[in-house]
Amino acid sequence: GQNIDQPTEMTATEGAIVQINCTYQTSGFNGLFWYQQHAGEAPTFLSYNVLDGLEEKGRFSSFLSRSKGYSYLLLKELQMKDSASYLCAFMDSNYQLIWGAGTKLIIKP
Amino acid sequence: GAVVSQHPSRVICKSGTSVKIECRSLDFQATTMFWYRQFPKQSLMLMATSNEGSKATYEQGVEKDKFLINHASLTLSTLTVTSAHPEDSSFYICSARGGLDTEAFFGQGTRLTVV
Repeated sequence: GQNIDQPTEMTATEGAIVQINCTYQTSGFNGLFWYQQHAGEAPTFLSYNVLDGLEEKGRFSSFLSRSKGYSYLLLKELQMKDSASYLCAFMDSNYQLIWGAGTKLIIKP
Repeated sequence: GAVVSQHPSRVICKSGTSVKIECRSLDFQATTMFWYRQFPKQSLMLMATSNEGSKATYEQGVEKDKFLINHASLTLSTLTVTSAHPEDSSFYICSARGGLDTEAFFGQGTRLTVV
């Protein structure tokens, strides 16, 4: 079967670093996506990993290990505007996106 | 990134009426479009997947006669909520992608309130 799991909620301090983990199980895999969603708004694309390793993009980095079915999103130098839900999703063998439930990130001053 | 435009952003309608929501890809050809609904504090729920020129594929539990999807061109898909009821009130979001293994870009979402 297929499933994807991420923590429901995390809290971090402004200026700090936070890592949001995502684990998945699937027989077919065509990449893993991270999206950011602010309350009341649609998701916006953050990153796409299809090969193992770390992809860095400014303050955000995303890591993938296909053998472990594991990804994380790393946010550095946290700002209050980073308070949002972070959704991970993998693309299965049919190129369908399978979504996690999202991790609500709360940033405290 | 690519732009997907969704209209209207908010709509209030009376129970029993129909509402059409448009989703347009502005700077790329969207071979596939997805329609989601999202209840407060819940994750995205895929309603249907549509490919240009063919009938939409609906997820289990989604009434295709109630949620009519038309994907007539590579840049436009529409979702019509027919005979809307208060329980249809939700946040409806479309997304579009140009190729099989490319990222999907989201429209701004439509907040539907049925009174």
